[in-house]
Amino acid sequence: DQQVKQNSPSLSVQEGRISILNCDYTNSMFDYFLWYKKYPAEGPTFLISISSIKDKNEDGRFTVFLNKSAKHLSLHIVPSQPGDSAVYFCAASGTGANNLFFGTGTRLTVIP
Amino acid sequence: ETGVTQSPTHLIKTRGQQVTLRCSSQSGHNTVSWYQQALGQGPQFIFQYYREEENGRGNFPPRFSGLQFPNYSSELNVNALELDDSALYLCASSPMWGVGGSDEQFFGPGTRLTVL
Repeated sequence: DQQVKQNSPSLSVQEGRISILNCDYTNSMFDYFLWYKKYPAEGPTFLISISSIKDKNEDGRFTVFLNKSAKHLSLHIVPSQPGDSAVYFCAASGTGANNLFFGTGTRLTVIP
Repeated sequence: ETGVTQSPTHLIKTRGQQVTLRCSSQSGHNTVSWYQQALGQGPQFIFQYYREEENGRGNFPPRFSGLQFPNYSSELNVNALELDDSALYLCASSPMWGVGGSDEQFFGPGTRLTVL
């Protein structure tokens, strides 16, 4: 039972344009959401997070939007750079929970 | 500041054998979580250790067991290996997960286990 879903396995974007990665979840108890980036042969690296009390969080070129009613979040990268090419994982957890539930990842390719 | 390290990098075992994977947590972190990432999937939570005690477990059978040591390093042991255990095993450390809000977990590079 996949509680966090990333329905797009891959995404290609031109350098300088916006990348939008999407994530859906089913568990209404989730209240904290994170995005991780993973390069080959490395572990996932934390990128940005958002609490359910917010609907937007911004950090430089990265912005995460949360729509609780739709159980949907998205990661916007503007402008996209070739170094952003990686697999992006969406993850979620509940209050006091000690584990993360991950999606299956979206492979982003930024074309120079 | 030293990040999360894992050993070995790669490992090949045969079905029925036992394996031990090791993880050194990031300096200042007392919580270690283990995840299994099968090919084409996201990481799945195995269990977490906090101050040498198991502090939560995912949907994995008892042949997956662990330890945490006083220096907060950790081991993952898998007995009676099965072909489906072939995966990337990730260790993540955090200052303290699930208390007073959530924080990101810092992941190591993983151990690639192949079971033949």
